[in-house]
This record gives sequence, structure tokens and C-alpha cells, in this order.
Amino acid sequence: ETGVTQTPRHLVMGMTNKKSLKCEQHLGHNAMYWYKQSAKKPLELMFVYSLEERVENNSVPSRFSPECPNSSHLFLHLHTLQPEDSALYLCASSQVAEVNTGELFFGEGSRLTVL
Amino acid sequence: GDSVTQMEGPVTLSEEAFLTINCTYTATGYPSLFWYVQYPGEGLQLLLKATKADDKGSNKGFEATYRKETTSFHLEKGSVQVSDSAVYFCALSGNDYKLSFGAGTTVTVRA
Repeated sequence: ETGVTQTPRHLVMGMTNKKSLKCEQHLGHNAMYWYKQSAKKPLELMFVYSLEERVENNSVPSRFSPECPNSSHLFLHLHTLQPEDSALYLCASSQVAEVNTGELFFGEGSRLTVL
Repeated sequence: GDSVTQMEGPVTLSEEAFLTINCTYTATGYPSLFWYVQYPGEGLQLLLKATKADDKGSNKGFEATYRKETTSFHLEKGSVQVSDSAVYFCALSGNDYKLSFGAGTTVTVRA
């Protein structure tokens, strides 16, 4: 495995379900990110972990809960979501010192549909 | 705060046509500017970048010049191919660790 891997690629859940999105990076990076991609909107930065510490929580509702157990893995736990949370959720990684060079590496995304 | 505005799509072109996607930005200080591309079913990947005024980024036949006076970073390609069909995102990086992205422009190239 190389790069950034996200699972599942597609997820359909009801508003009362609890599910998790998983991201794994094999690049030796020490920063990881969750972005939300909705149609015709700018990518929204949700969470940033740098050296396994959360450094950004961009006013995200508490029904989204991130977890970063180590520098290679990032989770997004989902519970009691709303239909407007349906979107493509992208994970990315970088070396902390290189963020301003724009060198973020993205996974293919997890397409979430909330019924 | 920092923000990026890019032209709305979708854009549909014929092969070998000239492509321009406009991008303007608002930022304090001296941001770095980027274009990312997202091919169908894939994640975003960095296409090119420019880190200071008047720099030109280039890759795969695409070019963009950092214009501080017009706060712009327009993406151009002289002769597109079907394989260039993708979503293109303009982005900037300010004084912190965050990238601010535009909404993306979908480009479809027809044979």
C-alpha cells in the first residue's frame, strides 16, 4: 500500500446510526487532515492533527468526532448525522514543516450518504 | 480571513482547445498559491504552485502566474486533451498551516 488510503469508499447510513471513516497514510507524514467536499462549495477544513495532537477544530458539529491514535491513522466517528452531512469526506496528510509548500497528499475520499 | 474565488463551471471544451480557469484570492501577507486537480474517482493532487509574486508554476502543459497586483492565479493550458477532464481547485496557504480552497471547476474535454 502506498499513499493515503480511505475506507470505506462509500457509506450509506441512517440518522440514528453510528459509523466510522478510516484513513491510513504510508508516507511517513506527521500531520493529517479531514476535509468535507460538497458540490459547488469550497473544500471545508474540518480537523487537523499535527504530531498526533488536534490543532484545529473548525467549528465542526459534535456529531463528528475525530480520533488520531498514531501518526499513520486517522478516524472520523459519525453519529446522529443529518441529511445535509451527505458529502465526500477527504483525508490528507503532510509533513508539518512543508504545509506552506502546499504538499498535501489526499486519499480518494469516502462518499457518505445520510438518509 | 483568507479566501479563494474561482470561476464556476462546468467548462466543456473540444480537444486541442485553449483552457483558462480564473482564480482570484484574498489574503493578508504573502500567501503561496496552488492548483490542485481531482481526476474522476481519485483524490486531489498538487498540479502546480507559486510561492511569490511573478513566479510561474508549470506542470503537464499547465501554467499559472502569481499576479500580486491583480491578486490572481489563473490556470491555462494551450491545447487540452481528453485526459485533462477533471475538477480543478485553486488554493492558497497563508501564514498558518491551513490551505484555503476554492469551490472547484469541472472541466470536460470532448474528443
